[in-house]
Amino acid sequence: DAMVIQNPRYQVTQFGKPVTLSCSQTLNHNVMYWYQQKSSQAPKLLFHYYDKDFNNEADTPDNFQSRRPNTSFCFLDIRSPGLGDAAMYLCATSREGQLAGLYFGPGTRLLVL
Amino acid sequence: GENVEQHPSTLSVQEGDSAVIKCTYSDSASNYFPWYKQELGKGPQLIIDIRSNVGEKKDQRIAVTLNKTAKHFSLHITETQPEDSAVYFCAAIWSGYQLIWGAGTKLIIKP
Repeated sequence: DAMVIQNPRYQVTQFGKPVTLSCSQTLNHNVMYWYQQKSSQAPKLLFHYYDKDFNNEADTPDNFQSRRPNTSFCFLDIRSPGLGDAAMYLCATSREGQLAGLYFGPGTRLLVL
Repeated sequence: GENVEQHPSTLSVQEGDSAVIKCTYSDSASNYFPWYKQELGKGPQLIIDIRSNVGEKKDQRIAVTLNKTAKHFSLHITETQPEDSAVYFCAAIWSGYQLIWGAGTKLIIKP
């Protein structure tokens, strides 16, 4: 089945130690997104790629970076995780077009010690 | 910018009864309204959506209604089942790819 895959599902890192989360998709969607979700809150968009065109949200901290080496893969790099970065990180994809819905992966839960 | 308000924040219904979750939006230019269901420990799943040129859409036990004049839309779940327990988010698309989310409703189905 076509899907959005995130690895790992759980990630533990130390304060200040760089961490990378990965996302892959078999839907062949050209738009990929990274969201941060803290408990009991709606997902918050960090950035998205329209093909290779990177779009950063204005309030996304510089500590968060992303890479999309090809259509299928996208990575979220957190350069120096702080305790406040502990959250669920969700990858999502959509087809080109304003009216497209999002297809989410299962998420990676990040714990910062 | 767009703002989406969602009510109630928690909804508890008896199994077999209906559940209704309501959302209002502020920008009349918004034209696409999805609903997502998020189970514990999982990513949100698109369950139904509606475009601004449609007033109602149904998919088995789930329906969404849209009132463009009043700028509100609602999710209706009939004959609720235990597996309907989850957090439900409404959203409105705004300014291209930006989805503006409601705060979420925790739906509890009582046996």
